[in-house]
Amino acid sequence: GAGVSQTPSNKVTEKGKYVELRCDPISGHTALYWYRQSLGQGPEFLIYFQGTGAADDSGLPNDRFFAVRPEGSVSTLKIQRTERGDSAVYLCASSFQGQGGYEQYFGPGTRLTVT
Amino acid sequence: RKEVEQDPGPFNVPEGATVAFNCTYSNSASQSFFWYRQDCRKEPKLLMSVYSSGNEDGRFTAQLNRASQYISLLIRDSKLSDSATYLCVVTPGDKIIFGKGTRLHILP
Repeated sequence: GAGVSQTPSNKVTEKGKYVELRCDPISGHTALYWYRQSLGQGPEFLIYFQGTGAADDSGLPNDRFFAVRPEGSVSTLKIQRTERGDSAVYLCASSFQGQGGYEQYFGPGTRLTVT
Repeated sequence: RKEVEQDPGPFNVPEGATVAFNCTYSNSASQSFFWYRQDCRKEPKLLMSVYSSGNEDGRFTAQLNRASQYISLLIRDSKLSDSATYLCVVTPGDKIIFGKGTRLHILP
């Protein structure tokens, strides 16, 4: 079946602009995660959805970052007033259930570059 | 102490050698442990879960030491295709924490 998909694959934006990154999880997976990965680092947890609700958003770095999952499937990560430090690969993952005990399937990521 | 720490890399080992990675964690409440593999410019993929009794999958063996709070990954008879970054994952409660990763280069 289809895996996790993310769009766009690459996004270049100017400092101060608004961006939206989309994630389509595997059908039937109730848990969805967003991570950010910088070069030479492991994925950094941002937010976790169980169904439609954000079960844990403690990893969001500040209030410029926001994510939604209105119908419990597709999720959008929104970044306002982008800064150069936001440049990274944004990874989305889904799993059958949440709470970290289940295998996570990752999408290919969106490479965000803020100029 | 960082929540998850991995051996600094890169590891450069000849084909056929055995290589071991360690990962230490600080939160004793951690329940689930995993090793993920990440190829260059690709997404992470689950390599194996780590069980309390230790587990083996072909050339790969994972072990957990709760008393000392570390997990390990052993790769025997390494292949060129094993070249990748290996990420350990620890889940204290509902949190999911990835290590920084250890890069492995298998040399022909």
